Amino acid sequence: NAGVTQTPKFRVLKTGQSMTLLCAQDMNHEYMYWYRQDPGMGLRLIHYSVGEGTTAKGEVPDGYNVSRLKKQNFLLGLESAAPSQTSVYFCASGYEQYFGPGTRLTVT
Amino acid sequence: EDQVTQSPEALRLQEGESSSLNCSYTVSGLRGLFWYRQDPGKGPEFLFTLYSAGEEKEKERLKATLTKKESFLHITAPKPEDSATYLCAVQAAMDSGYALNFGKGTSLLVTP
Repeated sequence: NAGVTQTPKFRVLKTGQSMTLLCAQDMNHEYMYWYRQDPGMGLRLIHYSVGEGTTAKGEVPDGYNVSRLKKQNFLLGLESAAPSQTSVYFCASGYEQYFGPGTRLTVT
Repeated sequence: EDQVTQSPEALRLQEGESSSLNCSYTVSGLRGLFWYRQDPGKGPEFLFTLYSAGEEKEKERLKATLTKKESFLHITAPKPEDSATYLCAVQAAMDSGYALNFGKGTSLLVTP
């Protein structure tokens, strides 16, 4: 039972490049979330999903897209990365929101 | 608008010196108040959920309490391994997505 896993752990992008972050959970949870954490700002919700095939916007959705094609996976996409998207990204799963280990993304 | 304010921002304790962390909140109907622990470079680790005023929960040296306006995380006789950032978050009853609104955290350092 791995809980919540995130891939990759670290990534450096150049401005304008695209990438996808993968979150996987093995707890059969319906709810999944993507947050970003920045110094002095705390954790802020980007997008979330209440079940397979559903997605919804959170507090800071601009510049990101998400997909939930399978119940166990929640993907976060950056179509054209910007330096303002440099952050640590966390995925969470379940009503009580069990968090993954995070992805540290730097956009230069 | 829902708001969560944690104080102090940072706290330094000596081993064995008990103290409390505060989480003040305003929310249009509280479904739950959550406490997490976060170690450097790691994801938040779930500690407690409190649902109604007067409720208390304990785990080892930690005890969380809830009133209608705030929650306290009491740390009794802390050890250096309790050093971490403690995050508080609220879940609004009207939010069908069960999203959490987080405070900025209290950074706790316990010295030997």
